[in-house]
Amino acid sequence: AQSVTQPDIHITVSEGASLELRCNYSYGATPYLFWYVQSPGQGLQLLLKYFSGDTLVQGIKGFEAEFKRSQSSFNLRKPSVHWSDAAEYFCAVGEGGTASKLTFGTGTRLQVTL
Amino acid sequence: DTEVTQTPKHLVMGMTNKKSLKCEQHMGHRAMYWYKQKAKKPPELMFVYSYEKLSINESVPSRFSPECPNSSLLNLHLHALQPEDSALYLCASSQAPGTGLSYEQYFGPGTRLTVT
Repeated sequence: AQSVTQPDIHITVSEGASLELRCNYSYGATPYLFWYVQSPGQGLQLLLKYFSGDTLVQGIKGFEAEFKRSQSSFNLRKPSVHWSDAAEYFCAVGEGGTASKLTFGTGTRLQVTL
Repeated sequence: DTEVTQTPKHLVMGMTNKKSLKCEQHMGHRAMYWYKQKAKKPPELMFVYSYEKLSINESVPSRFSPECPNSSLLNLHLHALQPEDSALYLCASSQAPGTGLSYEQYFGPGTRLTVT
């Protein structure tokens, strides 16, 4: 069965600092990987996705993520965090071939200090 | 346009009430999903519809009854709910699997349900 681990429950960074959120997955085949962001009481917004090809993917709002098969990781990065980036971030893996069933990590709450 | 809309935004219902949640998308997606999200937890898949047919039911209690009247609309009918069913209910849509198209899921803003 597929699974996703986000080791950091809560991260605090200063505005303007760089950010890296960790995600490790367990899946037998080539995974479909996603990062979503959720502001309090809101739905999930897709930041970026990896299906195949270039292992460094660019997303919205200045985010990027790198797929590393050897480490089973798909870490999210941003070079300079803005106060508006404070939110909950979920990494998810979709079943290969369908992506109908997403398995989410437990989420990382990002706090940004001014 | 990557918008999924959900109504109502908030719903309070008693345990004997019958109510419905509505979800709509106009992106031409043929797969639609219902998720339940408790506070400080990730979303949990409830149902998947593909081409207006129920393809996945994650062993959801029968007091939740999904319906997909057409390719743009998804309903969730609620009856005799329990207080522990209080949660944020999220709808999502995507291209259907097997189309060769990119099928990431797009989520609506959710309906905050409180069962009293």
